[in-house]
Amino acid sequence: EVQILETGGGLVKPGGSLRLSCATSGFNFNDYFMNWVRQAPGKGLEWVAQIRNKNYNYATYYAESLEGRVTISRDDSKSSVYLQVSSLRAEDTAIYYCTRKWYFDYWGQGVMVTVSS
Amino acid sequence: DVVLTQTPPTLSATIGQSVSISCRSSQSLLHSNGNTYLHWLLQRPGQSPQLLIYLVSRLESGVPNRFSGSGSGTDFTLKISGVEAEDLGVYYCVQGTHAPPWTFGGGTKLELK
Repeated sequence: EVQILETGGGLVKPGGSLRLSCATSGFNFNDYFMNWVRQAPGKGLEWVAQIRNKNYNYATYYAESLEGRVTISRDDSKSSVYLQVSSLRAEDTAIYYCTRKWYFDYWGQGVMVTVSS
Repeated sequence: DVVLTQTPPTLSATIGQSVSISCRSSQSLLHSNGNTYLHWLLQRPGQSPQLLIYLVSRLESGVPNRFSGSGSGTDFTLKISGVEAEDLGVYYCVQGTHAPPWTFGGGTKLELK
């Protein structure tokens, strides 16, 4: 069974940083692209970042609205993907979801990030 | 970036009714490789999104066959043939043809009449 579990959210002050983790199991992690997608309270879905697999040289892509402030990475030995977000702003407040593949076939339950003083 | 416009924003239905949701793209979603990377998700209240349909019309494993997708170019439709209570929530289309970025439609909320 595919399982995806995000951790690392919480309350952060504006200008602060956070590292989100996404642990997976139930599939061969090495084979898959992984994404982060976020959802602000009461709003729709926004793609944040993607990291491809070794076959694609672990290429990374970022939403323009966050570029320069986010870094996606992965550790295939731990079947995990990470999202480092810095210079956090109030508008970064959202549930951050980890999701698999180029068409988002499996999603975690999400982790809440609140940016507030 | 590609803009996906979903209509209607809200849809009221009775159990058993058939409904359709439209997703219109600002650019053709036909990729040069012949695929059309348009997918549909459902987010039930309080839950994470789940994939229903990928590549316009391919039903994800485990998804009931009352869901179907169609369309081409810039116009796509998700149809539910006989709404059930578990179908309530917000439906999103998402495109990957002109990615990055992957872009989502604004969502269509399906509620009970």
